[in-house]
Amino acid sequence: GAVVSQHPSWVICKSGTSVKIECRSLDFQATTMFWYRQFPKQSLMLMATSNEGSKATYEQGVEKDKFLINHASLTLSTLTVTSAHPEDSSFYICSARALILEETQYFGPGTRLLVL
Amino acid sequence: QKEVEQNSGPLSVPEGAIASLNCTYSDRGSQSFFWYRQYSGKSPELIMSIYSNGDKEDGRFTAQLNKASQYVSLLIRDSQPSDSATYLCAVGTGRRALTFGSGTRLQVQP
Repeated sequence: GAVVSQHPSWVICKSGTSVKIECRSLDFQATTMFWYRQFPKQSLMLMATSNEGSKATYEQGVEKDKFLINHASLTLSTLTVTSAHPEDSSFYICSARALILEETQYFGPGTRLLVL
Repeated sequence: QKEVEQNSGPLSVPEGAIASLNCTYSDRGSQSFFWYRQYSGKSPELIMSIYSNGDKEDGRFTAQLNKASQYVSLLIRDSQPSDSATYLCAVGTGRRALTFGSGTRLQVQP
């Protein structure tokens, strides 16, 4: 149980284009989903927290207009990187939490983004 | 002071030995504690959770929690080369997301 999927696993795009990443909880309802970014050999960096049906809460320094997050249902959250640039190239990982009182986070497999 | 501190390593142990990974945290109100394993190029996967003082065993893994000392550890018995990875300690403080340490890199030498 507690499986989280992400799609796509790899994406290569040209500078200036937008990229959408989907995160799905396959066998549970995720009241909260989290989006992380990780650069090579660095720690996980929390970008934002989203709760189903409400606006995402962004961490300090993360541009909400550049990284659009939608959590439209209890099983799906999307992250859209708008007008991507080479410096946005990174490993994007989502995680999901099942119940509001349960703090365990289950991670998706991640999406590797390369912006040319 | 970081909220969750781990030695970055690498921690090198021979195959078959016990690997001991340590983590300290600063928030005394922390209620839940987790160990994740992250292989290079992959996302973190949950190994164990622990909520009360003492030991919790699951196969070759034992998590230990001491809330008075604000210390949590992970022991890996009979270490295998496949255990070579970065181990992330995470702490739940009742806020929105778990607070992660920067991880300890473990190398198991065959």
